[in-house]
Amino acid sequence: GESVGLHLPTLSVQEGDNSIINCAYSNSASDYFIWYKQESGKGPQFIIDIRSNMDKRQGQRVTVLLNKTVKHLSLQIAATQPGDSAVYFCAENVEPSGSARQLTFGSGTQLTVLP
Amino acid sequence: DAGVTQSPTHLIKTRGQQVTLRCSPKSGHDTVSWYQQALGQGPQFIFQYYEEEERQRGNFPDRFSGHQFPNYSSELNVNALLLGDSALYLCASSRGLAVYNEQFFGPGTRLTVL
Repeated sequence: GESVGLHLPTLSVQEGDNSIINCAYSNSASDYFIWYKQESGKGPQFIIDIRSNMDKRQGQRVTVLLNKTVKHLSLQIAATQPGDSAVYFCAENVEPSGSARQLTFGSGTQLTVLP
Repeated sequence: DAGVTQSPTHLIKTRGQQVTLRCSPKSGHDTVSWYQQALGQGPQFIFQYYEEEERQRGNFPDRFSGHQFPNYSSELNVNALLLGDSALYLCASSRGLAVYNEQFFGPGTRLTVL
């Protein structure tokens, strides 16, 4: 079946630099995408979302870009901090019935912030 | 305001046994979803409960079943445990079924099958 995947399993950045985490999806029917952050021993935490009728959405220090033409999603983190070290997942919503949510997650990218 | 809580935090079972995991949703939430997260992988959707009924189901066998109670809490049951069932089981809650309502995840229950 179609699934969400990530280009890189690990990413290391210097503290203060910007981070970019990429995600490819293959289901053209997906209409809603979410980025989650998961720290060790914790459940995923919502970061930011974007609907398929948008190309860009900004939050606090984070920006999500959606390119529907090539089915690509990215998460940009500005001025990366040590507390940003975690695994980041993109997830897509596919609504087979048009009603409830069923999220499909990618395999994640481990972000490590170096001092 | 308590977030999503799950119990137990850790569990060890042997093959063939049965297990029940519990979840209490965030206050004000009435929808509960369950996910399985294998080590090094992203969570996989198991099923979702709303109004005490299973509303959506992922690609999991019938050995996985659930229940939602009138107070919106939920249980996940797994029968005839296999080694491959070892994983972190996550519960997520939201308000209603609307797609854009944020889901909040609990810390998970770590199940080890020996």
